[in-house]
Amino acid sequence: DAGVIQSPRHEVTEMGQEVTLRCKPISGHDYLFWYRQTMMRGLELLIYFNNNVPIDDSGMPEDRFSAKMPNASFSTLKIQPSEPRDSAVYFCASNPSLREETQYFGPGTRLLVL
Amino acid sequence: QKEVEQNSGPLSVPEGAIASLNCTYSDRGSQSFFWYRQYSGKSPELIMFIYSNGDKEDGRFTAQLNKASQYVSLLIRDSQPSDSATYLCAVNRGGSYIPTFGRGTSLIVHP
Repeated sequence: DAGVIQSPRHEVTEMGQEVTLRCKPISGHDYLFWYRQTMMRGLELLIYFNNNVPIDDSGMPEDRFSAKMPNASFSTLKIQPSEPRDSAVYFCASNPSLREETQYFGPGTRLLVL
Repeated sequence: QKEVEQNSGPLSVPEGAIASLNCTYSDRGSQSFFWYRQYSGKSPELIMFIYSNGDKEDGRFTAQLNKASQYVSLLIRDSQPSDSATYLCAVNRGGSYIPTFGRGTSLIVHP
């Protein structure tokens, strides 16, 4: 299996623009997680899905952020409008179950908002 | 107080020495504890997990858990330059299967 796939790997945009990050989980994994990592705050959970249904979005920082999972093999995280403080590395991870010890992380998307 | 606390470092040790990384957590009901390694520009990867008080060894790595004192540590014996990375502590709070991560400790192993 190719592992979790994220695109784009790098994104540079200007303040106010819409940003869409994409994730393809490992086939057969029922759980999908979106994380954000910054030096100041570390690795934070934004939202997670179970069988395409959002379960906990309490980590989503504000209404500018939205996430969807239209099917088992695709999820998006959208920021509209983007702000410089959104600059971070965004990781997608998947798991076959919550009892699995590890989180299977994708390579991340490095976002820079100017 | 952040739920999972780590010294950001960097912790610098010479090659061959023992590196000791520490983590404290605030929720006494926490049940599961994890150490992830993250190389610069890469994603985190799990290297150890521990559920019970005491020590758990895996090769050069030893995880130590003390629930009464609410800390978990990672020892790396015979440290190698390839161990240079950021080490993230993660804790599943009581009743949750979702890990909360610390900010990580940067480890530098110099030849």
